[in-house]
Amino acid sequence: AQKVTQAQTEISVVEKEDVTLDCVYETRDTTYYLFWYKQPPSGELVFLIRRNSFDEQNEISGRYSWNFQKSTSSFNFTITASQVVDSAVYFCALSLGGNTGKLIFGQGTTLQVKP
Amino acid sequence: GAVVSQHPSRVICKSGTSVKIECRSLDFQATTMFWYRQFPKQSLMLMATSNEGSKATYEQGVEKDKFLINHASLTLSTLTVTSAHPEDSSFYICSARTWAQETQYFGPGTRLLVL
Repeated sequence: AQKVTQAQTEISVVEKEDVTLDCVYETRDTTYYLFWYKQPPSGELVFLIRRNSFDEQNEISGRYSWNFQKSTSSFNFTITASQVVDSAVYFCALSLGGNTGKLIFGQGTTLQVKP
Repeated sequence: GAVVSQHPSRVICKSGTSVKIECRSLDFQATTMFWYRQFPKQSLMLMATSNEGSKATYEQGVEKDKFLINHASLTLSTLTVTSAHPEDSSFYICSARTWAQETQYFGPGTRLLVL
């Protein structure tokens, strides 16, 4: 069975602090995809990144960076120099791809960035 | 690119009435659309997967006669909540992808309140 665990339910930081959101996944498949989505208070899910199981390169996009480690089945997300606008719920998700491409979501981590 | 819209964004209806929610991919052809339900402070729960031109595949526990899904074209899927009851009040959110993509792009969601 596939599963995604985001152990941190809520995180609160002060602006300009760095923060890391943890994501651990479970799957027996060798081909899979990992995602991070941001859900601001408005409700819409915003796609942040997709990573396939064969690409363990870490990625940096502005203040965002992702660390994918197959050895520990983790796909952690770090926000550097956090800002108030980063306040949102962040979801990590797993997909086995293919024709259906169903997403299995973690429970989400609520990030509050205080000014 | 990859914009998905939903209409309406918010709806209030009386118990026993039916409500139709539209999901449109605005700048790409969506071979597959997904419908999710999200309760406050919870993760997204997949309700059904809809492929263009074929019947939707419902997740276990989701009543297909209550939640009617139609995916008549490559840019439009509809979810009809039939004979809505207060317990159907929730945030409904759709997503869309093409057969070539592994990424699902989400609509802004529809908040349904059944009185």
